[in-house]
Order: sequence, then structure tokens, then C-alpha cells
Amino acid sequence: GQQVMQIPQYQHVQEGEDFTTYCNSSTTLSNIQWYKQRPGGHPVFLIQLVKSGEVKKQKRLTFQFGEAKKNSSLHITATQTTDVGTYFCAAESRFYFGSGTKLNVKP
Amino acid sequence: EAGVAQSPRYKIIEKRQSVAFWCNPISGHATLYWYQQILGQGPKLLIQFQNNGVVDDSQLPKDRFSAERLKGVDSTLKIQPAKLEDSAVYLCASSLGLAGSYNEQFFGPGTRLTVL
Repeated sequence: GQQVMQIPQYQHVQEGEDFTTYCNSSTTLSNIQWYKQRPGGHPVFLIQLVKSGEVKKQKRLTFQFGEAKKNSSLHITATQTTDVGTYFCAAESRFYFGSGTKLNVKP
Repeated sequence: EAGVAQSPRYKIIEKRQSVAFWCNPISGHATLYWYQQILGQGPKLLIQFQNNGVVDDSQLPKDRFSAERLKGVDSTLKIQPAKLEDSAVYLCASSLGLAGSYNEQFFGPGTRLTVL
């Protein structure tokens, strides 16, 4: 079945540093969604990417969908302690969630 | 707007016992999902409903898990009998389910199940 792999599994950064997580699929994706889950919380939708090569920005967050629609990335500029949590990508069509990247931000 | 409601929030049972979880999606949402999230892992889709029909239950362990959404609104997920490895958070999510549009999923708070 369709699976998405996420790297890295963990990332520890100093507040103010940038952060990037990558999501890769062996198959072409129709679209991809990104979610954030705070510790002890539930996943919260961030964005959906549909078009090849699409780039979307939400304040300090930049999301990209690869040209071949097999990979995606989430980049956070100048992390803040409020960015702490686990970031998941999810491939629509059976909504396969990646294993997530756990971000810790040291103040 | 009220979010996705789930109950109970916590449940502790012994192995081989039965347990049921309830989910009330956001009003008007046609699609309902049940996920299992084991600690440290991403959510795993168990079953997806479109109104009261099953769209995908390929990852549902049907020998012990069952789910229904009889009137196309709220849903129950049952485990009978439970095993130790069923310990996880069970998340319910819903989306508008309109073809060709964003299917943003709204998640409930989850039910944390501990099987002893």
C-alpha cells in the first residue's frame, strides 16, 4: 500500500533556528496534507498541497510539493517555543500518515 | 462551531474484555474516520465512512474490531476481545467529504485506551 516516509524522526533546535521536515513517497501522490500535533493533543490540519511544484506559505511556515508529486517539505523559519510538537504529512487516498517529526525548541 | 466529540476520554480494561468508543462528528460532515495512534507513531487509519457506507476498512483487524455509522452521523468503534497491543489513542476525525475539494480533517480529542 501507499506509504510515506518522514525524516528526521526528531529535531532539537535553539529558538530562532530554522527547521525542515521531509516527506517522501515511492508513488505519485494526488495531494498531501500536513498536520501538527502538540504534546498530549490531537492532530490539527495545517495545509493541503495539490499541484506539482506548489509552494504555500503561512507566516513562518513554508510548504512545498515536489515536481513529481512524490515528496513534500515543511520549513519553519526562526522557530519559536510555540512550534514545539510533532509534524505529520498525510497522503490522501487511504490517508497514510507519516511517522512524524518531533520538534523540540530550546528557549 | 462545535468540534468532533469523543467519549470516553480514557478507558482502562483487562485483556480479553470488550470496549466501545463513541464519536460525534462536526454537523454536516459526510466523512468520518477512525484512527489508531500508538505512542510515538503516526495515526493509522482503521476505517473511513462516507455517510453510512464504508469507504475503506482495509487496515481494520476485523476479527476483533468493528465499527458502525448507522444513521450517517455518529459512530461507534468496538474492540472485542481486547489485546495488550490495542493500547493506544483512538482518534475520530471528520471532514466535509466533498469530491474535488479540500478534505481537511478535524480531529476529536481521542480516547486513550490502556489494556492490562
